Amino acid sequence: AQSVTQLGSHVSVSEGALVLLRCNYSSSVPPYLFWYVQYPNQGLQLLLKYTSAATLVKGINGFEAEFKKSETSFHLTKPSAHMSDAAEYFCAVSESGNAGNMLTFGGGTRLMVKP
Amino acid sequence: DTEVTQTPKHLVMGMTNKKSLKCEQHMGHRAMYWYKQKAKKPPELMFVYSYEKLSINESVPSRFSPECPNSSLLNLHLHALQPEDSALYLCASSNPRRQETQYFGPGTRLLVL
Repeated sequence: AQSVTQLGSHVSVSEGALVLLRCNYSSSVPPYLFWYVQYPNQGLQLLLKYTSAATLVKGINGFEAEFKKSETSFHLTKPSAHMSDAAEYFCAVSESGNAGNMLTFGGGTRLMVKP
Repeated sequence: DTEVTQTPKHLVMGMTNKKSLKCEQHMGHRAMYWYKQKAKKPPELMFVYSYEKLSINESVPSRFSPECPNSSLLNLHLHALQPEDSALYLCASSNPRRQETQYFGPGTRLLVL
């Protein structure tokens, strides 16, 4: 079975500082990995995904993530945090199977941005 | 258009009520999903429909009954719920392959009294 671990349930940064949200996965097959963002009282929105093309993936809102197979990691970064980045972030891995595309989510990281 | 719509946005129901949640997508996706999300937790998969057939039921109690009338619509029928069923219910859709993105709706916030 696949699993995802997000280190740090809460991360606090100052506006303009680097954002680093950590995600480690375990998978017995080459993984497909996703980062989603959830703003309060909203659904999940895709930030970016890794599907075995380039290991450095660029997403929306200035976020990017690097797939490192040797470290089984897919950390999310943004060079300069903005107040509007405050939200819950979920890393997910896609499980194989014919019954749709089943996602296994990490526990989530709440990003807080201080003025 | 990558929109998944859900109605209603909010729902309050008693433990003896029957209600339904509705989800709609027009992206031509052939897989649709129901998730339950409690506060400060990740979404938990409840059901998966693939090509309009129920393919995954994650041991969900029978008081939750899903229905997929056609490839664009997904319903979740609720009956005799418990207060612990109060949560955000999210619908999502995708093409049914591992690398495909799931697109989520805004959710229905359910409160069971």
